[in-house]
Amino acid sequence: ETGVTQSPTHLIKTRGQQVTLRCSSQSGHNTVSWYQQALGQGPQFIFQYYREEENGRGNFPPRFSGLQFPNYSSELNVNALELDDSALYLCASSRGQGAQETQYFGPGTRLLVL
Amino acid sequence: AQSVTQLDSQVPVFEEAPVELRCNYSSSVSVYLFWYVQYPNQGLQLLLKYLSGSTLVESINGFEAEFNKSQTSFHLRKPSVHISDTAEYFCAVTPNQAGTALIFGKGTTLSVSS
Repeated sequence: ETGVTQSPTHLIKTRGQQVTLRCSSQSGHNTVSWYQQALGQGPQFIFQYYREEENGRGNFPPRFSGLQFPNYSSELNVNALELDDSALYLCASSRGQGAQETQYFGPGTRLLVL
Repeated sequence: AQSVTQLDSQVPVFEEAPVELRCNYSSSVSVYLFWYVQYPNQGLQLLLKYLSGSTLVESINGFEAEFNKSQTSFHLRKPSVHISDTAEYFCAVTPNQAGTALIFGKGTTLSVSS
């Protein structure tokens, strides 16, 4: 148990729809990162938030957006869903934004786009 | 830019046998190195990490990894595996800079049989 929770666990959407995934970080963890893990692949970095500001972004289009709230919760929003967005979405929280900080991962949300 | 190559996609071994999971990385700047483990239907858990100091790092469950700067490798080893070690193992790197993300390899599936 890492103390990081995600909801929902599974989700089915159709192409073109919008989706919001939620994450609850460990108390005191000011940094949250989101990753996309396609089947058979390693996780790929989407973006990172520190104290409610985005402070790093991977190679994902703007239709992937996020929010971080003061209560250690965060959201990943994906607009105009495409079939290739089907994946496991992982959030990870850490105490600070230093690279040496351990990231604690949630169990993930598995998204299927039909 | 950084990249991680996990040289074996699948490693089948018998219980109590030794195992080595290979990881090589590429980076033009200094990096921190991590091994994460993912059990079925769960998120990633940190196994061990190298930040600085001794190049040999150990986990609480018998795994160890050695950082080799000249060969840009961070191979994971265990002298005697158990059935419960069956999982997906991911090697990851991150540059020694604040606000940067983990860059993962594609993973190695370790299958331990009796």
